[in-house]
Amino acid sequence: AQSVSQHNHHVILSEAASLELGCNYSYGGTVNLFWYVQYPGQHLQLLLKYFSGDPLVKGIKGFEAEFIKSKFSFNLRKPSVQWSDTAEYFCAVNLYNTDKLIFGTGTRLQVFP
Amino acid sequence: DVKVTQSSRYLVKRTGEKVFLECVQDMDHENMFWYRQDPGLGLRLIYFSYDVKMKEKGDIPEGYSVSREKKERFSLILESASTNQTSMYLCATNRRAPGTEAFFGQGTRLTVV
Repeated sequence: AQSVSQHNHHVILSEAASLELGCNYSYGGTVNLFWYVQYPGQHLQLLLKYFSGDPLVKGIKGFEAEFIKSKFSFNLRKPSVQWSDTAEYFCAVNLYNTDKLIFGTGTRLQVFP
Repeated sequence: DVKVTQSSRYLVKRTGEKVFLECVQDMDHENMFWYRQDPGLGLRLIYFSYDVKMKEKGDIPEGYSVSREKKERFSLILESASTNQTSMYLCATNRRAPGTEAFFGQGTRLTVV
C-alpha cells in the first residue's frame, strides 16, 4: 500500500537554528507532493507543493522543499526558524492517477526563543 | 476564500449511538475527504468522494460510512459509536485536478463515552 513516512516525530530547536524535516513516500508512479502546517488551534493550511518542473520548491514564510525522485523524498527546509514556526508539519502525497490524498504521521516542531 | 464548515466543533456521544458529522464547502469542489487525526498517527483517510453519490474507502473505513447527496455536503456516519472512535475528525476538499491544494475545516473533536 502507498504510504508516507515522516521520521522526525518531535523536533526541538532554538530560534535561528536551521530546520530539515524528512518525508519519504512509497509509490513508483507520478506524484504530487505537499507540505501542510497546523499552527496551534488552527486548521491545516498549505505551506508549499510540488506539481512539476523545478524540484526545488519555495513556499510561504521562508520554507522550501526539494523533490528527489531517486530517493522518493520531499524534505522540508528552513535556514533560520522563528518562534512563530512552532506547529505541526505534515507531508502529503497525491497519486497522479487518483484523487486519493495521503498524509504522513506529522512532525511536531517546537522553537524556543 | 474557500470555506469548509464542519457542523460541530465539539461533540460528546455515548457508546452505541449513531453519530453524524457534517461538512459543507462553498467552492464547488469535486473532491471531499474525511480524515481522523490522532497524536502520533497523523491524518488517516477514512473515506473520500469525487462526485455526488460516489465514494471510495480510505485506509481506515471500518466502523464508518459516508453520504454525499449534494456536491457541497459530505457526511460521515458512525453507525454505532465506540470509545476507540474518540478523535479529531477533519473534512477537506479540493478540485479534481492534479496538484491542487486541499482546504480543511476546523475539525470536530468527538468524544465517545
